[in-house]
Amino acid sequence: KQEVTQIPAALSVPEGENLVLNCSFTDSAIYNLQWFRQDPGKGLTSLLLIQSSQREQTSGRLNASLDKSSGRSTLYIAASQPGDSATYLCAFCSTDSWGKLQFGAGTQVVVTP
Amino acid sequence: DTAVSQTPKYLVTQMGNDKSIKCEQNLGHDTMYWYKQDSKKFLKIMFSYNNKELIINETVPNRFSPKSPDKAHLNLHINSLELGDSAVYFCASSLGTGQGIPYEQYFGPGTRLTVT
Repeated sequence: KQEVTQIPAALSVPEGENLVLNCSFTDSAIYNLQWFRQDPGKGLTSLLLIQSSQREQTSGRLNASLDKSSGRSTLYIAASQPGDSATYLCAFCSTDSWGKLQFGAGTQVVVTP
Repeated sequence: DTAVSQTPKYLVTQMGNDKSIKCEQNLGHDTMYWYKQDSKKFLKIMFSYNNKELIINETVPNRFSPKSPDKAHLNLHINSLELGDSAVYFCASSLGTGQGIPYEQYFGPGTRLTVT
């Protein structure tokens, strides 16, 4: 059974520090992994998608890496800002799943001014 | 322009009632999904349709019935609502499910269902 684990569950950093969010998965048959952001009471915003053939993806201050052999993905957010405060979710899609995303429980991030 | 929209945003109803949630996407995607986010904020897939055909049907009570009248719409009907159905229901869409197509999913704003 596939499990997706996110560590830490919560994180508080002062503005300007870099954020490192971890996601681990147990199934090696990865198709792609997607990182989302969820603000309180809102929907999910897609941040980055990494396909199984890729090692990393970058968008602005965000960088996501994928290590299939160790079953890990890491989301880096450089120079954090208070506006980065949100819950970050990683979601795993396996090769035989028809697009079914399996979510971690999320990391709640607070960036203090 | 909203990519994935859901109506209603909030739904408060009594136990035993029947209700529907509607979803529409204007991204030209072939695949649509329903997810449930429970009180502990955990997200889990319920159903998926590809080009109006059901392709994912997780272990969900048969009181829940999805319907896709066309590729751009996916509705969720719930019969005989129970207290435990209270949750936020999210609709999502992706380009497709063929091999080589990334399954990047785009989510709607959610429908918060409260059963009293």
